[in-house]
This record gives sequence, structure tokens and C-alpha cells, in this order.
Amino acid sequence: KAGVTQTPRYLIKTRGQQVTLSCSPISGHRSVSWYQQTPGQGLQFLFEYFSETQRNKGNFPGRFSGRQFSNSRSEMNVSTLELGDSALYLCASSFTASGEQYFGPGTRLTVT
Amino acid sequence: EDQVTQSPEALRLQEGESSSLNCSYTVSGLRGLFWYRQDPGKGPEFLFTLYSAGEEKEKERLKATLTKKESFLHITAPKPEDSATYLCAVRPNTNAGKSTFGDGTTLTVKP
Repeated sequence: KAGVTQTPRYLIKTRGQQVTLSCSPISGHRSVSWYQQTPGQGLQFLFEYFSETQRNKGNFPGRFSGRQFSNSRSEMNVSTLELGDSALYLCASSFTASGEQYFGPGTRLTVT
Repeated sequence: EDQVTQSPEALRLQEGESSSLNCSYTVSGLRGLFWYRQDPGKGPEFLFTLYSAGEEKEKERLKATLTKKESFLHITAPKPEDSATYLCAVRPNTNAGKSTFGDGTTLTVKP
């Protein structure tokens, strides 16, 4: 069974730009969550989607948004990038909203 | 607000030297407690799920246990390939889709 895939793997952007990250979950998984991981803050929950609906959201500004498509693939968008948005963005899928999560390799975003 | 605290922050062991990692949690009704392993530059890898106090799960040299306030990850006779960051996470009964992670314990096993 193919694992969670994320594209792109690496991204360099300039302050003020916007970025879209993509995540394809494991086949059959309907729950997709996004996390931001930084050395200082650890893994921070961004949002969770289940069957195309955002069901939970973390404490991030409105510049961070996401969506889920009917095939469970998900995208995350960050607008007006700031230097502090530099991080590893991880996507995780699970069969149920409360089950164990399977993570992708992440997208390493660098904002200059 | 749900909270997860892991200790120690870092642990260095000699090969074969057993030890335990701690995960203390505060959650408004526990749906599940999860352990993950993360290698540098990779996403976390699922290890165990524990649902209720007294439950134990084992996999090779790892054993996870759960009480009402904390979980332990016991590592028996570790090998260098067990070196990684171990993360603990909780899901609450309400808003079960929202996981809270601890900052992790970075384990280094020297041969």
C-alpha cells in the first residue's frame, strides 16, 4: 500500500509570497491533518479535514488555510509568507478521525 | 487545553542499557495516546496506540504502558538503530481529530 505523499519536498519562497502544499493520503483514509514542525515549537496542529470538511483548527492565523477534495487529497495554502513560517510541514492521514496517523515525508519550506 | 510533556528531552544510552521515556498528559477525556518514532528529515512513524489505563503494547525492544496521567515507553537492550526522536501524542474524546504532541525525547544509543 502506498504511503502518504507530499509535494513538493522542498520549497524556497520570499517574504510576502504565497505557497500551496499538496498531500495525497493513504488509499481509503478520509482524515487528513496538517502540522507545522519547528525546532523551537515541536509539532503544532494546523487543521484536520474529514470527508472534505474542516473539523478542527489549531491556533494559527488566517493566512494558513486548507481544503480537501472528494478523493481525500488535501492542499494547504499560506499567504503573505513571513520569515517565521519557515518550517517542516507534515501531512498525516488516518482511517478514522480518532485513529493512529500515518505521516508523509513533509515539505521543507524556507522563507527568505 | 490539552497538554503533553515528555521527559527527558534527550537520553544517551550504551547499547544494551535499558531505560524508559516518560509522557505526562492532561486531556479532557482520553480517546487515545499514541507513540511515534521520528528519524531526522523524515515524518513520524506510528508505533503504538493505548486507550485505557493499564494497557500495554509491545513491539520488538519497545513496550508502551499507560496510566491515568502518564505513559512510559520502555526500551529493553537498545541497539544503535533505535536512535531517533520518540513523540507522544493524545487525542481527546471531544474533537478527537485534534492531536496534541509532546516535544519528544531524542534517544541516542552508542555501540
